[in-house]
Amino acid sequence: SQTIHQWPATLVQPVGSPLSLECTVEGTSNPNLYWYRQAAGRGLQLLFYSVGIGQISSEVPQNLSASRPQDRQFILSSKKLLLSDSGFYLCAWSLQDTQYFGPGTRLTVL
Amino acid sequence: GQSLEQPSEVTAVEGAIVQINCTYQTSGFYGLSWYQQHDGGAPTFLSYNALDGLEETGRFSSFLSRSDSYGYLLLQELQMKDSASYFCAVRDRGNTDKLIFGTGTRLQVFP
Repeated sequence: SQTIHQWPATLVQPVGSPLSLECTVEGTSNPNLYWYRQAAGRGLQLLFYSVGIGQISSEVPQNLSASRPQDRQFILSSKKLLLSDSGFYLCAWSLQDTQYFGPGTRLTVL
Repeated sequence: GQSLEQPSEVTAVEGAIVQINCTYQTSGFYGLSWYQQHDGGAPTFLSYNALDGLEETGRFSSFLSRSDSYGYLLLQELQMKDSASYFCAVRDRGNTDKLIFGTGTRLQVFP
C-alpha cells in the first residue's frame, strides 16, 4: 500500500532563517506531488506541484521554492523565512481523482 | 476568477442530518471532490462526483449538478466524531490532477 511521510511534524524558526521540509512517498511510482499551505482556520492553498523528477510548477509567487530530486521525494525550501510563512504545510500525491495527504508540518515563524 | 463557495460553519446534534453546499465557478470542470479534516490533522478523501446525481457511501452521500455548478455533501446519523472541517474541491483541467479547494465548512456536532 502507499504511504506518504513528512518531517518534521512541527518546527519553530526565526524570521530570516532557512527552511527545508521533506516529503517522501512509498508504494507508488512517478506520482504527481503537491505542496499546500493552510493558514489557521483557512482553506488549502496550492503552492507547487510536480509531475516528475525536476519538473516543478509554481502556483503563487512567494519566497518559497520546491525541488524533486528523486521520483518519490519532494522538498519545500526557503532561503529566508517571513512571518507570513507560518502555517500548516501539507504534501500530497494523487491517483486519478483522489489526493492523499501526508501528516503535515506545522511551521511557526517568530 | 476561479472560486468555490461553502458556508463557513454548520452546527447540528447527534443523529441529525446535515447538508453542506458547494457552488463553484471554474474555467473547466472534471469533477467535484469532498475531503474531511479533523483539527490538527490532514485532509482525507470522502467522495468524488464526475457526473450528475447522488453518490452514496455509508452515512455520507455527495450530489452534483453540473448545470447549476453546485454540489453538496450529505451527512446522515451524525456522530460526535463527524465534527470536522469539510472541503469541496474541483478538478478544473483534464490533463492534470490539480484541485482547487473551497474555503471549508466547519461542522460542529453537539450531543
